[in-house]
Parts: sequence; C-alpha cells; structure tokens
Amino acid sequence: QSALTQPASVSGSPGQSITISCTGASSDVGGYNYVSWYQQHPGKAPKLMIYDVSNRPSGVSNRFSGSKSGNTASLTISGLQAEDEADYYCSSYTSSNTLVVFGGGTKLTVL
Amino acid sequence: EVQLVESGGGLVQPGGSLRLSCAASGFTFSTYSMNWVRQAPGKGLEWVSYISSISSTIYYADSVKGRFTISRDNAKNSVYLQMNSLRAEDTALYYCAKYRGSGWSFDYWGQGTLVTVSS
Repeated sequence: QSALTQPASVSGSPGQSITISCTGASSDVGGYNYVSWYQQHPGKAPKLMIYDVSNRPSGVSNRFSGSKSGNTASLTISGLQAEDEADYYCSSYTSSNTLVVFGGGTKLTVL
Repeated sequence: EVQLVESGGGLVQPGGSLRLSCAASGFTFSTYSMNWVRQAPGKGLEWVSYISSISSTIYYADSVKGRFTISRDNAKNSVYLQMNSLRAEDTALYYCAKYRGSGWSFDYWGQGTLVTVSS
C-alpha cells in the first residue's frame, strides 16, 4: 500500500480539464511544500511535471498546474490532448524514515 | 543534454548480490545529489536511496537499509548501487535519478535497468 493515495484512473475528452488528487498526511503532503508530479508513458522513464507543489520545470506545458490544500495535493491538466494519456505519480518529502514517498499512480485515459 | 545510463541489472538468485551503475553526462555531476528509484513490474515508484554530491550524506529506504549500499565516483561521473541479500520483492526496474537541488524532486531519469530475483 502506497503512502500517498491517488485514484487508480481518471479520464477525459480532448480539450477538457481533469484533476488528479494525491492525499497524504501532515507528516508529508500537509506538512511541507515539497510535492512533485511525474508523468510516465508506457515503457518510458518518469518525467518531472511539477515540483514544490505548483512550479513547472522549463519545457513543461502551462496546461499542467499543481496546487495543495491541507493534506491533499492536486494536478490539473487543462485542454487535454491525446499525448497526455499516461500514468501520473505524485511524491512528497516525508518526515518519516522513508524521506520520499510516492502515490500509487493514476492512469489517465484521453477518450 | 542530460543523460543517465544505467547498467548492471540481470537475473540473480535469492540471497545473491548485484552492483548497478549509472553513468551521467550533460551536467556537472560532482555538484548534484543522486538517487535510485525502483518500480516493480506493473507497480508504482519507490524511492530507494540518496547520495549527496560529495557522498557526505546518504539515506536509504527502510526496505533496503542494511542490504543496499549507494556510492559515487565523481571522477567517473558515476553512481552505484551495491545490492546484497537480494529478495524476490527487490525485483524491479531500477532508475537512476538526478536530484533537482531542493524539494526532494528528481528532474532527470535514466531508462532503468531490470533486476530479477528468482530461483
């Protein structure tokens, strides 16, 4: 069982917006602004999409945005495109021995 | 262009050992911390280990503590993971990941090397 909870799957039509949630605890998501989001296409390495809750690395589309409220972080993808279909993982720093915890991943399907 | 290339994976029997390597290029390796992250087949990501730029700080996940050892050679732009007392549950694709610099995020990943622990 993953330390952070994500929905197993979400779906949306091209052009729509979707939001993926990531629920943790006060020892991780709620306690620190160190939430990251990764995109992983099948057979590929993960790609950093969001860091420090809401910051985008250079080169990442501004259709991707992140936020946090309490112990839950969210990734929103607006203007869905076929190429966004992938698995998405959240991660957070944690004050536990583990230091970094990931969510179980969310499969995004673009209908 | 940042490149991370892992090697050293393979099939090993339970209780055996394996040493993974990750060769880095395209950035000043000696100034960045590095990590290993693994992904069991069909499963999610699991952080494994962290090493600071000059090896002064090292961390491990509880699941590998006492069995795995991370190290690096800045002269060779490489980071390593020595894995001992391997278990079936260590079977995974092992990624080398560059630490972004803060906030516990990883901005570049290799393509991974597969470790299979089975008799």
